[in-house]
Amino acid sequence: EAGVAQSPRYKIIEKRQSVAFWCNPISGHATLYWYQQILGQGPKLLIQFQNNGVVDDSQLPKDRFSAERLKGVDSTLKIQPAKLEDSAVYLCASSYGQLAEAFFGQGTRLTVV
Amino acid sequence: AQSVAQPEDQVNVAEGNPLTVKCTYSVSGNPYLFWYVQYPNRGLQFLLKYITGDNLVKGSYGFEAEFNKSQTSFHLKKPSALVSDSALYFCAVRDMNFGNEKLTFGTGTRLTIIP
Repeated sequence: EAGVAQSPRYKIIEKRQSVAFWCNPISGHATLYWYQQILGQGPKLLIQFQNNGVVDDSQLPKDRFSAERLKGVDSTLKIQPAKLEDSAVYLCASSYGQLAEAFFGQGTRLTVV
Repeated sequence: AQSVAQPEDQVNVAEGNPLTVKCTYSVSGNPYLFWYVQYPNRGLQFLLKYITGDNLVKGSYGFEAEFNKSQTSFHLKKPSALVSDSALYFCAVRDMNFGNEKLTFGTGTRLTIIP
């Protein structure tokens, strides 16, 4: 079975610019997650979807970050405007349900200069 | 709020020796517990999970983990370490209180196997 697909793999932008990341989860997985992983740290949950609905977005900086999951399948995460501290790897994951293990994509490495 | 602690940033083990990577958790309900491994420039790979039943769970690549409810721990173990086991390991927990199923990760433990 195909894994979680993310694009782009790498992105370099200047501060105050905007950027968007795309994620296609494993087919049939209802739960989708976006994590931020800063170098040397554990993944931090930004937002968790169950189908179209948001389960948790308590750690999403809503003044600059937004995410949507169209039709309960693909998802996009946007940052506008970006700050230097947003430099990190953004990981998308999906699971069959909210109780199952999550499977991760390879991530998008964002560098803000 | 749920949390996971991995008290050791770095663990070094000689090849062939047993290894243990420690994890403790805090939840208000019953925990679902997971271990993941991350190799350089790769996403996280699922190793094993505990949901219910036998406290000793077996996973990929010869790893196993022991759930201890009284000590709120879920330590990762392997009887004989390989150099290829060198990687970053993350423990994660879901709190099974309804409405709080988010997946929370620890800060990670870097495991180095010395030839």
